[in-house]
Amino acid sequence: KAGVTQTPRYLIKTRGQQVTLSCSPISGHRSVSWYQQTPGQGLQFLFEYFSETQRNKGNFPGRFSGRQFSNSRSEMNVSTLELGDSALYLCASSPLTGTGGDGYTFGSGTRLTVV
Amino acid sequence: DQQVKQNSPSLSVQEGRISILNCDYTNSMFDYFLWYKKYPAEGPTFLISISSIKDKNEDGRFTVFLNKSAKHLSLHIVPSQPGDSAVYFCAASENYGGATNKLIFGTGTLLAVQP
Repeated sequence: KAGVTQTPRYLIKTRGQQVTLSCSPISGHRSVSWYQQTPGQGLQFLFEYFSETQRNKGNFPGRFSGRQFSNSRSEMNVSTLELGDSALYLCASSPLTGTGGDGYTFGSGTRLTVV
Repeated sequence: DQQVKQNSPSLSVQEGRISILNCDYTNSMFDYFLWYKKYPAEGPTFLISISSIKDKNEDGRFTVFLNKSAKHLSLHIVPSQPGDSAVYFCAASENYGGATNKLIFGTGTLLAVQP
């Protein structure tokens, strides 16, 4: 079965621009979580969507937002990009929520570079 | 504040020997712990997990030990193989069975297994 698909794989944007990243979960998975990975910081939780509702949000500024569609696909948006937003953005899908991470399957990520 | 800490950024081990990766946490509400492995340009893949009601879980060459009083867990890989060379992340959840899949990750340990 198809895995978690994130598009695009690589992106270069200029400071001040906005960007939208996409995540298609495994078929049947209803939970999509987003993480930011930067060197030395590990993976930082951004938000989780389950059945089109945001279930939890990490400690990120309001410039970071997301949504989930009825087919469980999710998008995250970052507005007014800053150099510090350069990171690998990972999406993870799971059949359910509240599973402690069991069943989490990660995509390969989108590498965002802000110049 | 870093609730999940991996204090060793890197570890080098000879093939066939034991690899021990360590992780400390500060939040006593964490009730589920996981280890992920990550190769470059790929998303993390799940390795093994442990509930806070257990002190050991074993899966083939991988064993995770949990010491709740010390708020410490470790991953043992025996015997280590060159293909185990990757970044290993420790992660924790405080909402197993609850309403979110949010995980708190450590900063990772780069394991290099020398042939």
